[in-house]
Amino acid sequence: NAGVMQNPRHLVRRRGQEARLRCSPMKGHSHVYWYRQLPEEGLKFMVYLQKENIIDESGMPKERFSAEFPKEGPSILRIQQVVRGDSAAYFCASSRGTGGGNEQFFGPGTRLTVL
Amino acid sequence: SQQGEEDPQALSIQEGENATMNCSYKTSINNLQWYRQNSGRGLVHLILIRSNEREKHSGRLRVTLDTSKKSSSLLITASRAADTASYFCATARGFTGGGNKLTFGTGTQLKVEL
Repeated sequence: NAGVMQNPRHLVRRRGQEARLRCSPMKGHSHVYWYRQLPEEGLKFMVYLQKENIIDESGMPKERFSAEFPKEGPSILRIQQVVRGDSAAYFCASSRGTGGGNEQFFGPGTRLTVL
Repeated sequence: SQQGEEDPQALSIQEGENATMNCSYKTSINNLQWYRQNSGRGLVHLILIRSNEREKHSGRLRVTLDTSKKSSSLLITASRAADTASYFCATARGFTGGGNKLTFGTGTQLKVEL
């Protein structure tokens, strides 16, 4: 059973370009979470999705950022018109989601560098 | 202070010694989890303790939770050089309809020297 997969592992973009980060949850997991980690900091929650639904996006910047988790395929975190401040590691986690104690399994992260 | 703030920020010990890390938080929680992150890598889940539990063990790890003080501690016994990593606590609050929102602390950087 493969773990959470994220790609690309490293992504370099110039200011103003778009970044697309992909996350494939573990088999059998229908809940996906995205987190952002700035250098020397802990992870900050961005958004929580279930299949075809955004459940909570309270940690997502209001502009330029969007996320989806379609019925088929991976979850996508999309950052439009990237700026240098978007440079960070973006982690995806998945869980089965039922009940309050389900463990979140994390992917290896995508390290975004904005030049 | 932030939800899930670890103390100390950095800890350096000799192999074989015990390492203790503390975490404080502010709001009510469903559970508290500890994660480990090696430099430049993803997070590895270590242990989860529910809000109605006081202590939990897993191998060389011992976690305590004091909900009255809103604090938790992680003890690693007989540390090894391979334990060198950053350790994060994360408090979990449930979303309506399932799932948990994890709020991470700033982490403790542990270095175990030979």
